[in-house]
Amino acid sequence: GESVGLHLPTLSVQEGDNSIINCAYSNSASDYFIWYKQESGKGPQFIIDIRSNMDKRQGQRVTVLLNKTVKHLSLQIAATQPGDSAVYFCAENEGLRALNFGKGTSLLVTP
Amino acid sequence: DGGITQSPKYLFRKEGQNVTLSCEQNLNHDAMYWYRQDPGQGLRLIYYSQIVNDFQKGDIAEGYSVSREKKESFPLTVTSAQKNPTAFYLCASTPGGRADTQYFGPGTRLTVL
Repeated sequence: GESVGLHLPTLSVQEGDNSIINCAYSNSASDYFIWYKQESGKGPQFIIDIRSNMDKRQGQRVTVLLNKTVKHLSLQIAATQPGDSAVYFCAENEGLRALNFGKGTSLLVTP
Repeated sequence: DGGITQSPKYLFRKEGQNVTLSCEQNLNHDAMYWYRQDPGQGLRLIYYSQIVNDFQKGDIAEGYSVSREKKESFPLTVTSAQKNPTAFYLCASTPGGRADTQYFGPGTRLTVL
């Protein structure tokens, strides 16, 4: 089946820097995308979402960019903090069934 | 507080035994989902239910069973037929029938001894 994947399995950034986490998707019919944050031993937490009729959406310190031409999704975190250290997943909507999740990127924030 | 609860947080099982993981939500959500997560991996869909008394197989349903007798409850049974059941199990729910924003429970870590 079609899949969602991530370019980088791990990302290390210094506190205060901006972080960019990338995600490629292959299902051109997907119309809804979500970013989740998962801390060790916990369930994923919703961060931000975007629908396919948008290119960009901003939240608090986070921005999601969607490039449908190249089927690429990115999550930007401004002024990264130690509390941002976690695994980040992108997920795409497969319609009525369920979300399709990528394998995740581990973000490590160093002081 | 509204939310999704899963119990227990840690569960140990002997080989050959069935075990049931609990998932309860008081969000009045229609759809509920079960995922399995292995170390360093993403989430794989086991079963999902969009309405009471109805559920569908996901990508890795073999060795698992579910029921949806009540809107707020979606228990997952890991049977002895599941060859490699040790994993982190996550339950999620969404307001409507579509796979929109899913809200996750805290997870249950199952270990087979």
